Amino acid sequence: GQSLEQPSEVTAVEGAIVQINCTYQTSGFYGLSWYQQHDGGAPTFLSYNALDGLEETGRFSSFLSRSDSYGYLLLQELQMKDSASYFCAVRGLSNDYKLSFGAGTTVTVRA
Amino acid sequence: DAGVTQSPTHLIKTRGQHVTLRCSPISGHKSVSWYQQVLGQGPQFIFQYYEKEERGRGNFPDRFSARQFPNYSSELNVNALLLGDSALYLCASSRAPDSYNSPLHFGNGTRLTVT
Repeated sequence: GQSLEQPSEVTAVEGAIVQINCTYQTSGFYGLSWYQQHDGGAPTFLSYNALDGLEETGRFSSFLSRSDSYGYLLLQELQMKDSASYFCAVRGLSNDYKLSFGAGTTVTVRA
Repeated sequence: DAGVTQSPTHLIKTRGQHVTLRCSPISGHKSVSWYQQVLGQGPQFIFQYYEKEERGRGNFPDRFSARQFPNYSSELNVNALLLGDSALYLCASSRAPDSYNSPLHFGNGTRLTVT
């Protein structure tokens, strides 16, 4: 199976940079995804890393290192609307198409 | 285009009852997945359907069942409800079952409370 670890909470001020780490234990997977979920809302897809390295999408970037079993999501120029929970997720190599999520990191942005 | 729609948005049931949750995927999406999200946790995989066939099942008891219809909409059924079934039930659709090239699009979920 897959096991993903993330910090439970992060607090930062507007304009700051936040890095959310995700370490995982899995026998193999296709890639690392990140989803954002606002309170009471639907998780929304942010980024996907199939290969090692950095993927940049606007203010958000995601990184993967398979050799280190590690990835992170980087939130830059934080805005109040970025206050939300962020989940890393992997799909293993089994044929059940299951996406395994971490427990999530709650990011609180303060003025 | 409309996103993934789920109904009902909220539901209160009593232990032992059964419940049916419904999901309509984004137009053109043939894959539907169901996830359970308990407060403070990440979504947990329940089922995945593609082209009306079950392609994956998570570690949930047989009280949980689902199906996908010819129009790709889906139902999740839970029988003999337990207090522990109280959660947010999320439906997600994608063009194909492989998430590595087809990210999941989630609905707003159905909040189920079992008393």
